[in-house]
Amino acid sequence: EDKVVQSPLSLVVHEGDTVTLNCSYEVTNFRSLLWYKQEKKAPTFLFMLTSSGIEKKSGRLSSILDKKELFSILNITATQTGDSAIYLCAVEEESGGSNYKLTFGKGTLLTVNP
Amino acid sequence: NAGVTQTPKFQVLKTGQSMTLQCAQDMNHEYMSWYRQDPGMGLRLIHYSVGAGITDQGEVPNGYNVSRSTTEDFPLRLLSAAPSQTSVYFCASSYQLRDSKGYTFGSGTRLTVV
Repeated sequence: EDKVVQSPLSLVVHEGDTVTLNCSYEVTNFRSLLWYKQEKKAPTFLFMLTSSGIEKKSGRLSSILDKKELFSILNITATQTGDSAIYLCAVEEESGGSNYKLTFGKGTLLTVNP
Repeated sequence: NAGVTQTPKFQVLKTGQSMTLQCAQDMNHEYMSWYRQDPGMGLRLIHYSVGAGITDQGEVPNGYNVSRSTTEDFPLRLLSAAPSQTSVYFCASSYQLRDSKGYTFGSGTRLTVV
């Protein structure tokens, strides 16, 4: 059973639209939730969320975490074709002692058409 | 400051061959990890390390070995390559203490096993 579930798996919008990407998780020892954007190569870091209800914002992107309901959303306003990418959600959990690990969801493929 | 460097970028192996994927970081990160990315599967954790001399298994460790003799390097070894190991491999690193910059990824190695 997947620990990190993203929805939708794919989404096609027009430039200027606003999109909301969802990430729900179920882990035992939550440490943080991270969002990444992946274009053709390696994932690039967007946000790290550790506290509920505190919105992180960067330009047209914003994200918030709900630790009670175990989910996060990533919002993109006024989408541009350059926002087309796979958006990955990952949850960091403690795995015993000083160990911790990062588990990814399957990603949301966002396509923004002109 | 090179970040996370992965070599090679591309590799074709025959079934049964062995090889080592290299990963090096120059940011003094304690934590290093290997992921594989397959279509529709997101990134799946293979092995990870929280410091020199310490490694642990992730979600899909079978067929892969790792070691961490220095802070900087975390090689991934395929002892007997199988077609099921055809994938894109990413190395990622971070500071062990929570760091708002998240994890840094290498540019990936695209491996094909024929």
